[in-house]
Amino acid sequence: DADVTQTPRNRITKTGKRIMLECSQTKGHDRMYWYRQDPGLGLQLIYYSFDVKDINKGEISDGYSVSRQAQAKFSLSLESAIPNQTALYFCATSDRKGTDTQYFGPGTRLTVL
Amino acid sequence: GQNIDQPTEMTATEGAIVQINCTYQTSGFNGLFWYQQHAGEAPTFLSYNVLDGLEEKGRFSSFLSRSKGYSYLLLKELQMKDSASYLCAVALKAAGNKLTFGGGTRVLVKP
Repeated sequence: DADVTQTPRNRITKTGKRIMLECSQTKGHDRMYWYRQDPGLGLQLIYYSFDVKDINKGEISDGYSVSRQAQAKFSLSLESAIPNQTALYFCATSDRKGTDTQYFGPGTRLTVL
Repeated sequence: GQNIDQPTEMTATEGAIVQINCTYQTSGFNGLFWYQQHAGEAPTFLSYNVLDGLEEKGRFSSFLSRSKGYSYLLLKELQMKDSASYLCAVALKAAGNKLTFGGGTRVLVKP
């Protein structure tokens, strides 16, 4: 079984729709992250959470919100999707007690028409 | 702010060696990570350096010089499956080890 899972894996939606992407992990890590990746570009941090009661904005949080429902679950919402939010979205987790190495989920490919 | 630079693309021949350089300018450095990412897939962890020197893991090695703000990833005995993007990322201590990623280096291995 995968340690970090993301649902859905692919999603096509229309401008203005509300979308939720979900991430779950069985690694027992306390820290979770959401990134987006545009074609040919590096990863940009959207939001991160160091524990259940901690939520922080990343570099590109505008237009996004998150919820940390439990240590193992971290959801990303697009309140009103727009075409330039079309991208590959990755969830990652890390353990602050170790080297804080981040481990990534398989990604969600989101297309906003 | 942080600035992380790595070449956009490199081409090498199967069986050869390729060195991917990464330079960074940052304050509060707390480690440098290398990830491999095949097209459309998740990044996978390759190596972590926090002290100066060379870390070797099989065919892959990573080097760090903190004073020079420089790292490289060395891939030996290249295989076709090594064709991928390689991402350099720097951790900032003041930001709880939050990572900042470079744009990635796409390596193409030719027969």
